[in-house]
Amino acid sequence: EVQLVESGGGLVQPGGSLRFSCAASGFTFSSYWMSWVRQAPGKGLEWVANIKQDGSEKNYVDSVKGRFTISRDNAQNSLYLQMNSVRAEDTAVYYCARHGDWSFDFWGRGTLVTVSS
Amino acid sequence: QSALTQPPSASGSPGQSVTISCTGTSSDVGGYNYVSWYQQHPGKAPKLMIFGVSKRPSGVPDRFSGSKSGNTASLTVSGLQAEDEADYYCSSFAGSKKWVFGEGTKLTV
Repeated sequence: EVQLVESGGGLVQPGGSLRFSCAASGFTFSSYWMSWVRQAPGKGLEWVANIKQDGSEKNYVDSVKGRFTISRDNAQNSLYLQMNSVRAEDTAVYYCARHGDWSFDFWGRGTLVTVSS
Repeated sequence: QSALTQPPSASGSPGQSVTISCTGTSSDVGGYNYVSWYQQHPGKAPKLMIFGVSKRPSGVPDRFSGSKSGNTASLTVSGLQAEDEADYYCSSFAGSKKWVFGEGTKLTV
């Protein structure tokens, strides 16, 4: 059974940093592109970033480029998102999602990140 | 990267059909046959319902169908059931390995 479990979210001050992770199981993690998708409170979904199977290619939505870094550790079956210079508008539930056939076929339950002083 | 346009709400009675639209541009919806649809119940993670414009993943009822014409994709839910009440989001590949989601539609049954 495919499982994606996010952890490490929390409260961070504006301008601060936070790194959180997604633990994958039930499939060959190293064979799939992976993405982070976020959802601000009461709002819609927003694709944030994705990473190729071997980590050699990374893509970001313009609003986080230069501030966020996606990474992965295939030996640990884990996906990460490093957030720097965070802003209030980065407050959201962050979902880890697996890329299927030109779609996001499995999702984790999400981890809440709150940016506030 | 602008969000795809969806109606904020849609509704139908049990047994009826409802169609939700998703409008983008020639750079996303119109340019690729890579539109997908997601169902999200309150407090839950999104669930893939349609991929590749009109394909259903295993386990998704055939009451759910997808189509596309030009820059607009559509999700049709036939034979509405109470459990179909949820938020629905479209998504499209937008080139350069990037993705865009729709604004979301709240379906009331």
